[in-house]
Amino acid sequence: EIVLTQSPGTLSLSPGERATLSCRTSQSVSGSYIAWYQQRPGQAPRLLIYYSSRRATGIPDRFSGSGSGTDFTLTISRLEPEDFAVYFCQQYGTSPPMYTFGQGTKVEIK
Amino acid sequence: QVQLQESGPGLLKPSETLSLTCAVSISSDHWWSWLRQPPGKGLEWIGEMYHGRGTHYNPSLKSRVTLSVDKSKNQFSLNLTSVTAADTAVYYCARLQSYSVDVWGQGTTVTVSS
Repeated sequence: EIVLTQSPGTLSLSPGERATLSCRTSQSVSGSYIAWYQQRPGQAPRLLIYYSSRRATGIPDRFSGSGSGTDFTLTISRLEPEDFAVYFCQQYGTSPPMYTFGQGTKVEIK
Repeated sequence: QVQLQESGPGLLKPSETLSLTCAVSISSDHWWSWLRQPPGKGLEWIGEMYHGRGTHYNPSLKSRVTLSVDKSKNQFSLNLTSVTAADTAVYYCARLQSYSVDVWGQGTTVTVSS
């Protein structure tokens, strides 16, 4: 089973700043199988990025995804107040077919 | 706009069977899934089903989980046997697309306690 490790655990930033979140996989994976989610308190997660770099429907262009191999990144170019939340990366594995998630990165107001 | 709504008992005793249903218009073009999130923790995928084509389960839960679809009732269901306190979580039903979860239900809280 592939393990996803997100860093940092918590990111303290101010509105308007740039956020860079990391997701490292324990084995090389296809970028097609990486997704990112945002979860606000008391809400279900929301898909932000799929195929490692494609924005989901309705997601602002300040969110971007990149990476390959074992290192993937979610970047929020300029933080808006509603962006302070927890972010999860996710990988789809084929043998066996299954979805695994990172432990999450909390982006909090500094 | 696809909307998913989970329903089921919120409180169970240890060793009982958890049964949840999700109201959804089942299409043959998507995989459907259940996930869960223990209080204050991360997300865990439980399994997925493609109506009429196949089912995959998380190996860590496989011995206790069954997913099923009733297309006539537009329902997607989860059964989890022999629950313990470790199964306490918010349970989400979801739609899968492009190797990601593109639609989530609002979630239903399940507590296992004697």
